[in-house]
Amino acid sequence: DAKTTQPNSMESNEEEPVHLPCNHSTISGTDYIHWYRQLPSQGPEYVIHGLTSNVNNRMASLAIAEDRKSSTLILHRATLRDAAVYYCILRDPLAGGYQKVTFGTGTKLQVIP
Amino acid sequence: EAGVAQSPRYKIIEKRQSVAFWCNPISGHATLYWYQQILGQGPKLLIQFQNNGVVDDSQLPKDRFSAERLKGVDSTLKIQPAKLEDSAVYLCASRPLSGTEAFFGQGTRLTVV
Repeated sequence: DAKTTQPNSMESNEEEPVHLPCNHSTISGTDYIHWYRQLPSQGPEYVIHGLTSNVNNRMASLAIAEDRKSSTLILHRATLRDAAVYYCILRDPLAGGYQKVTFGTGTKLQVIP
Repeated sequence: EAGVAQSPRYKIIEKRQSVAFWCNPISGHATLYWYQQILGQGPKLLIQFQNNGVVDDSQLPKDRFSAERLKGVDSTLKIQPAKLEDSAVYLCASRPLSGTEAFFGQGTRLTVV
């Protein structure tokens, strides 16, 4: 599996934008970039995913570098509820449907009131 | 839509005892995952089912861990006998066959003393 690299931790002030980086220099052409987050004492939850183009949804935006070797999850206005561990994951849909969802150590985001 | 249900939420056992965890995935989801999450780490995939068949159990310690998914619906993960290092949160997740998003339960927190 192609690996991802994320900072261990980041801080943000409440109501400010947050940019969470992820490096994936060995990404293959068919790997999608997925982001999950895990709130304290909860299971992970899906945030967003993309392949080449930038993506937006109600939770966040995903900016993908032109060479696809890095991406950034953008939370436009951080709230205290966004304090969580954020995981960047690569998944290949051509893996016959038997896709692993393999987590690294993620980035722990602290939101300061 | 009901989420992934897991029980129990918490379990404390002594080492060398046996324990079982139960998971009921979202209705219609063909793929079911069991993960182990040790404190401070990302979730580690233990086993992946497609309907009632195992498609990946490469990281399951088969000398003590077993899992089954009879009838392709709910699943049970068993540890026998437990060791101190098995203390962790055990997460179940499910995904529809053609979907990209995995849905996680809240997990079972196991403490082995």
